[in-house]
Amino acid sequence: EAGVTQSPTHLIKTRGQQATLRCSPISGHTSVYWYQQALGLGLQFLLWYDEGEERNRGNFPPRFSGRQFPNYSSELNVNALELEDSALYLCASSLRGAGANVLTFGAGSRLTVL
Amino acid sequence: GEDVEQSLFLSVREGDSSVINCTYTDSSSTYLYWYKQEPGAGLQLLTYIFSNMDMKQDQRLTVLLNKKDKHLSLRIADTQTGDSAIYFCAERFNAGNNRKLIWGLGTSLAVNP
Repeated sequence: EAGVTQSPTHLIKTRGQQATLRCSPISGHTSVYWYQQALGLGLQFLLWYDEGEERNRGNFPPRFSGRQFPNYSSELNVNALELEDSALYLCASSLRGAGANVLTFGAGSRLTVL
Repeated sequence: GEDVEQSLFLSVREGDSSVINCTYTDSSSTYLYWYKQEPGAGLQLLTYIFSNMDMKQDQRLTVLLNKKDKHLSLRIADTQTGDSAIYFCAERFNAGNNRKLIWGLGTSLAVNP
C-alpha cells in the first residue's frame, strides 16, 4: 500500500512569490492535515480537511490556504511568501470516525524562501 | 490552555534504556501518541495508548500513562544508534464537534556508542 506522498520534495522561492504543495493521502483516508515544522518550533498545525471541507484551521494568516479534491488529495498554497515561511511542510492523512485515527505522515516538502 | 511539554534533549549510551517523558494539561484526552522523526524525514507512528489504559508494551517500547499526574512516558529498552531521532508526544481530545491534536516540541534522543 502506498503511503502518504508529497510533492515537490524541495522548493525554492523568493519573497513575494507563491508556493503550491501537494499531498496524496493513503487510499481510504478522507482526512488530510497540514503542518509546518520550522527550525526549533516543533509542529505547528495549519489546516485539516475532511470530505472536501476545511474542518479546522491553525493560527496562521489567510495567505496560507488550501483545498481538498474529490479524490481526497490536497493542496497547500502559500501566497506572498516571507522569509519565515521557510520550513518543512508535512502532510498527514487519517481515517475519520471512532478509534485512534492514527495520522500517517508523508516525508514532507521543504520550502526555502530567499 | 492546552499544552504538551517534553524535555528537549536526552543522551544515552548504546544498550542502556531511554526514558522520554511528556506532560499534558487536558484531562479529557482520549488517545496519546508517540511519533519518531529521523533526520530529513516525516513522522512515523511508534505507538499509542488509549486514555483508560495504564501501560502498553510493544517489543522494546513500553508506554506508561499516569492520568492523575497527566504524565506519559516512553521507555526504549536496549537503545540502539538507530534509535537516534526526535520523539514527539501528542495528545488527542474532543473539543466540541472536533477532535484536537496537541503536539509537544519533541525530544531529541542521541545514542552514543
